[in-house]
Amino acid sequence: GAVVSQHPSWVICKSGTSVKIECRSLDFQATTMFWYRQFPKQSLMLMATSNEGSKATYEQGVEKDKFLINHASLTLSTLTVTSAHPEDSSFYICSADLAGVHEQFFGPGTRLTVL
Amino acid sequence: AQSVTQPDIHITVSEGASLELRCNYSYGATPYLFWYVQSPGQGLQLLLKYFSGDTLVQGIKGFEAEFKRSQSSFNLRKPSVHWSDAAEYFCAQLSNFGNEKLTFGTGTRLTIIP
Repeated sequence: GAVVSQHPSWVICKSGTSVKIECRSLDFQATTMFWYRQFPKQSLMLMATSNEGSKATYEQGVEKDKFLINHASLTLSTLTVTSAHPEDSSFYICSADLAGVHEQFFGPGTRLTVL
Repeated sequence: AQSVTQPDIHITVSEGASLELRCNYSYGATPYLFWYVQSPGQGLQLLLKYFSGDTLVQGIKGFEAEFKRSQSSFNLRKPSVHWSDAAEYFCAQLSNFGNEKLTFGTGTRLTIIP
C-alpha cells in the first residue's frame, strides 16, 4: 500500500519549452503532496507544498511562476516547469502525505534534462 | 530553524562489517525522525521511523536506529552490511510546526568494499 508514481521517469527537452511532471497516489488519497528538487550528490530540497483544491505554498527562493503546481484531485498533483533552461535540469521527486500517519510516501523521481 | 545534521558525507565499509550512520536533529521535545535510503536514480525508501515509545527502532533490511534525547541523535546501525546496502542514506525530521514538512540531512553515501 501507499504507492506513489511519477510520470515521466525521465524527460529531455529543449531550452524554452515547458515540461509537465505528474505525481499520483495510486492506492490512497493524499490531502497534501510535496515537490522536491535534488541536484547530483545533494540532499532533497523542498520546493513547494501542494494541497488539493488550493494554491501551492512555495518555499523561499522558489519561483512560483516558473514552477507551476496544480493539485486538482486527492490523487494527482502536477509540476510544470515553464520556459525551462539548462539550470533547471535536476531530479524532481514528489511525495504524498497520508493523513494522520505523519509519513510521506515518495515517488520514484523524474530526471529532467534541458538542452 | 529546524535542521538535521549528518556529519559523515561518505563512509566505506567492508562487506560483512558493522555500520553506524550518524544523525543529529536540532530541537524538539518529541521529534518525529526517519531514515530513508536512496539508490542511484531512484526515489526514497523508508527504512524506519521513530515517533515515541521504545527508543530502539527496528526497520527493514536488518537496519535499526536508536533515539537518544540527551544527545539529540538518531543513529542508524546494521550489524553486518551487504553489497546491496551501497546507497545514499538520508535522515529526516518532521516539522514541529504542524505543517508535515520534512527536513532532510545532507545524506551519507555508503560504499561497500568486498
